[in-house]
Amino acid sequence: KNEVEQSPQNLTAQEGEFITINCSYSVGISALHWLQQHPGGGIVSLFMLSSGKKKHGRLIATINIQEKHSSLHITASHPRDSAVYICAVNFLQELVLGDARRRALTFGSGTRLQVQP
Amino acid sequence: DAGITQSPRHKVTETGTPVTLRCHQTENHRYMYWYRQDPGHGLRLIHYSYGVKDTDKGEVSDGYSVSRSKTEDFLLTLESATSSQTSVYFCAISESDIGLAGVKEQYFGPGTRLTVT
Repeated sequence: KNEVEQSPQNLTAQEGEFITINCSYSVGISALHWLQQHPGGGIVSLFMLSSGKKKHGRLIATINIQEKHSSLHITASHPRDSAVYICAVNFLQELVLGDARRRALTFGSGTRLQVQP
Repeated sequence: DAGITQSPRHKVTETGTPVTLRCHQTENHRYMYWYRQDPGHGLRLIHYSYGVKDTDKGEVSDGYSVSRSKTEDFLLTLESATSSQTSVYFCAISESDIGLAGVKEQYFGPGTRLTVT
């Protein structure tokens, strides 16, 4: 079964701390996405990556294809980083269901991050 | 921000009534998706579309139908709403690319909170 697992489910940090959220997946992928959802619901794409590492401001995403694992790091965390962070993937296997189906995302259950001042 | 809207944003309806949710995009993207978000399950794919009149089922399609008569609009219909369809519904879009290997970021609408009483 194609699965995406995230850890931890909940995370509380103090302002300024370095934060790591982990994502693992079961079978081969063509891309992995990190998404952010603030209270009130909107979902925003942070990163899409298929290899290596990407950085945007204080956010860093890495992926290890061989180990089927990705991490999202937040440096110098701030209360405004409080949100749910969601890992999602495009599974290669779903190409057998059609190219459009392969482009749909399979999601992890999310990590709720609370950064306290 | 991608031009994607959903309507209505909130709806309360009674069991057994039909409900239609609308997703509208101004980006001319080929691919459109309906997901539902539930506590404990994360986001799951309901239906998707890869062009006008081209749609297919996702992993939780029972009780839902979709239509896409124009590139910009993707409608999700609950023919006879049930309490288990109480959820937050997100529409997403992504553009096509050249070749099978690549996928693109998905852009999400603001969501529709549906309550079936």
